[in-house]
Amino acid sequence: EAAVTQSPRNKVAVTGGKVTLSCNQTNNHNNMYWYRQDTGHGLRLIHYSYGAGSTEKGDIPDGYKASRPSQENFSLILELATPSQTSVYFCASGDAPGGDYEQYFGPGTRLTVL
Amino acid sequence: GDSVTQTEGQVALSEEDFLTIHCNYSASGYPALFWYVQYPGEGPQFLFRASRDKEKGSSRGFEATYDKGTTSFHLRKASVQESDSAVYYCALGDRGNSGTYQRFGTGTKLQVVP
Repeated sequence: EAAVTQSPRNKVAVTGGKVTLSCNQTNNHNNMYWYRQDTGHGLRLIHYSYGAGSTEKGDIPDGYKASRPSQENFSLILELATPSQTSVYFCASGDAPGGDYEQYFGPGTRLTVL
Repeated sequence: GDSVTQTEGQVALSEEDFLTIHCNYSASGYPALFWYVQYPGEGPQFLFRASRDKEKGSSRGFEATYDKGTTSFHLRKASVQESDSAVYYCALGDRGNSGTYQRFGTGTKLQVVP
């Protein structure tokens, strides 16, 4: 049974609209991460969290917010979506410290902003 | 900041060929190094890791050796199969303002033809 799930799997949004991407993990990991994947850039870290109530900025946080209301759930929020945010987004979870242990990824969400 | 470089964007091989995908890193100390594999339509999956000089990581016939002298962690496989066609990511453990996380390379797409 999949330990990291994402919803929705596909999303089409309009420019200026609000988008929320959701992630749930049943691994009981403290750390969770949001990445975007683009050709030529690989996986880039947007936000991460060390536990419920915490969020930290990654390498490309501009235009994104994150929320970690519980151990299991981690959301990525685009308050004002732009076409440049069209991408595939992956959520991951992992043990702490995050730099030392493998991460477990969800299946991804394909977001298109028109 | 710390980083990993994957020089090959794409690699095309025939079945039973020998595979090398290059990964070089830039970091102080001894960061943990990782390889992940991503099959089409899925999220990345952890392959293996290493955290000390000369340590070898391996899984599913793939292997890489941590080399502090050349700052490398090249992925190798003696005989590839069509089922190995995927995108391969090298990553290293990095330290941010509030803890550690992983920083990924740009990925190498491997295509194996029968």
